[in-house]
Amino acid sequence: QKEVEQDPGPLSVPEGAIVSLNCTYSNSAFQYFMWYRQYSRKGPELLMYTYSSGNKEDGRFTAQVDKSSKYISLFIRDSQPSDSATYLCAMSAVTNTGNQFYFGTGTSLTVIP
Amino acid sequence: KAGVTQTPRYLIKTRGQQVTLSCSPISGHRSVSWYQQTPGQGLQFLFEYFSETQRNKGNFPGRFSGRQFSNSRSEMNVSTLELGDSALYLCASSLGTVGLGTQYFGPGTRLLVL
Repeated sequence: QKEVEQDPGPLSVPEGAIVSLNCTYSNSAFQYFMWYRQYSRKGPELLMYTYSSGNKEDGRFTAQVDKSSKYISLFIRDSQPSDSATYLCAMSAVTNTGNQFYFGTGTSLTVIP
Repeated sequence: KAGVTQTPRYLIKTRGQQVTLSCSPISGHRSVSWYQQTPGQGLQFLFEYFSETQRNKGNFPGRFSGRQFSNSRSEMNVSTLELGDSALYLCASSLGTVGLGTQYFGPGTRLLVL
């Protein structure tokens, strides 16, 4: 079983729709939860960063973490064509040998004008 | 402030050869991490360097190695290349060793092994 599972999609939605992206994980030691956006031929860029459980909102983006269910989500409101990209969830845990980092495989999103 | 830069951007090698990739972090950042990205496996952590010391290592064979210089620039080396090493290699930098969330990625080096 992979440490982090993410539905690869692809996901296609009309402009203005609400998008829900999700990841599940198996390691209860994960403490930091992130969402990255990656455009074609670019490196990932950090969108949201959450520590432990709870919600965090930033503009049109909301990140949710439910540690009891080992489930994290990213919601995009009023989606725009410029949101078309691959979205990667990521999480990390501090171990006695340093931080361990794990990424989901990414969900490809297309927002149709 | 300039972002993370990686050179070269594209590389074609044959099996058995070795390759060295370079990463220049954002000015002032002392931590550099390397990742391998493939369509099937996604982003996988290779190793992290902080102040010229390897702090953490992922589950990759010893053919993958790296180092960091006193100016925080980092290099990654892959020896005895295999077809499965074809991937996008990403470098990320951060100020310190806090969490993954503060990492900034470069554009990557796309390696093709024939």
